[in-house]
Amino acid sequence: AQTVTQSQPEMSVQEAETVTLSCTYDTSESDYYLFWYKQPPSRQMILVIRQEAYKQQNATENRFSVNFQKAAKSFSLKISDSQLGDAAMYFCARETSGSRLTFGEGTQLTVNP
Amino acid sequence: DTAVSQTPKYLVTQMGNDKSIKCEQNLGHDTMYWYKQDSKKFLKIMFSYNNKELIINETVPNRFSPKSPDKAHLNLHINSLELGDSAVYFCASSEGLAGGGGTQYFGPGTRLLVL
Repeated sequence: AQTVTQSQPEMSVQEAETVTLSCTYDTSESDYYLFWYKQPPSRQMILVIRQEAYKQQNATENRFSVNFQKAAKSFSLKISDSQLGDAAMYFCARETSGSRLTFGEGTQLTVNP
Repeated sequence: DTAVSQTPKYLVTQMGNDKSIKCEQNLGHDTMYWYKQDSKKFLKIMFSYNNKELIINETVPNRFSPKSPDKAHLNLHINSLELGDSAVYFCASSEGLAGGGGTQYFGPGTRLLVL
């Protein structure tokens, strides 16, 4: 089975500090897409960042960046200058055949003031 | 303007009933999806449609029947509801189809509770 694994069920960070959420995945494809979604208590699924596997450059979106290691099949999310509003469940996902998203189990991030 | 909307947001019903969840997107996307999020927050694809054609049909009981009257709408009808159907159901949409890497935009979710 092609899976996505998030090994950290929970993480916490102090406000203004940096935190990294881990994600590994399995695939036999050479070209694919990876995503991080955020789900706050409102339960809305919000796209945080997107990475195309054929691009060597790591994606960045303001305070959010990824460390994409294609050979290691690793796709971690770094949140810099953490804010209280960053507290949420974070899901890593990979696009598989038919445009379906396969999600990891999620990492619950707590931001401490 | 809401990009992907779902109705209702909450649904409480008795076992054995039939219910429907509606989804609409105003993004002009070709592809729409239904995902199920269980009590452990795990998300899994159920169905996807591209231009009203069924593309993905995961191993979902046939009590679940999606219907797409046009490419902006994808509804989910559930017959003979069971306790295990209690979950949050998300609708999503994206441009394009397989391998396109199009970002999927999610609706607000429908929390279904079967008593």
